[in-house]
Amino acid sequence: KAGVTQTPRYLIKTRGQQVTLSCSPISGHRSVSWYQQTPGQGLQFLFEYFSETQRNKGNFPGRFSGRQFSNSRSEMNVSTLELGDSALYLCASSTRDRGLSSHEQYFGPGTRLTVT
Amino acid sequence: SQQGEEDPQALSIQEGENATMNCSYKTSINNLQWYRQNSGRGLVHLILIRSNEREKHSGRLRVTLDTSKKSSSLLITASRAADTASYFCATAQFSGGYNKLIFGAGTRLAVHP
Repeated sequence: KAGVTQTPRYLIKTRGQQVTLSCSPISGHRSVSWYQQTPGQGLQFLFEYFSETQRNKGNFPGRFSGRQFSNSRSEMNVSTLELGDSALYLCASSTRDRGLSSHEQYFGPGTRLTVT
Repeated sequence: SQQGEEDPQALSIQEGENATMNCSYKTSINNLQWYRQNSGRGLVHLILIRSNEREKHSGRLRVTLDTSKKSSSLLITASRAADTASYFCATAQFSGGYNKLIFGAGTRLAVHP
């Protein structure tokens, strides 16, 4: 089975722009979660989607949004980029529908976003 | 605030030695997971231990859970250079109507040949 894929792998944007990141989960996985990883804040949970619905949400401003399609692929959008949004954005998929910590998550390689 | 906090922050050992990392958390949990991350890459799930389990093994990994102390430890025996990575514990926290998976700050393990 193919693993979780994320595109693009690297991205450079200018402050004020917006960006869309894509994640394709493992076939059959219906839960997709997004995380932001920075040296200062570590790994922080952004949100989780299941069956095209946002099921869980972290403490990020509304500039961070996401969606999930019927094939479980997910996109994450960040509008009005700030320098502090520079980070590694990780997507993870899971096979079960019983909540974030119930089962292991399979992570993609991440998208490295640099905001200048 | 972070649910999981690992210590030490960094650990440097020689190949063949054992490495022990600890994780503390703040609220009640259903289970606790450990992940490994090689430099700048995605995380790999290592092991999940449920709240009613005290110890779990997987190959060279041994995880313990003490719910009374709200702590867990990850032991890697007979370490190898390939074990060099950051290790994170993760637990779920229910807050504001949502479940969030909270990762600790991680322990950076360096295994020297």
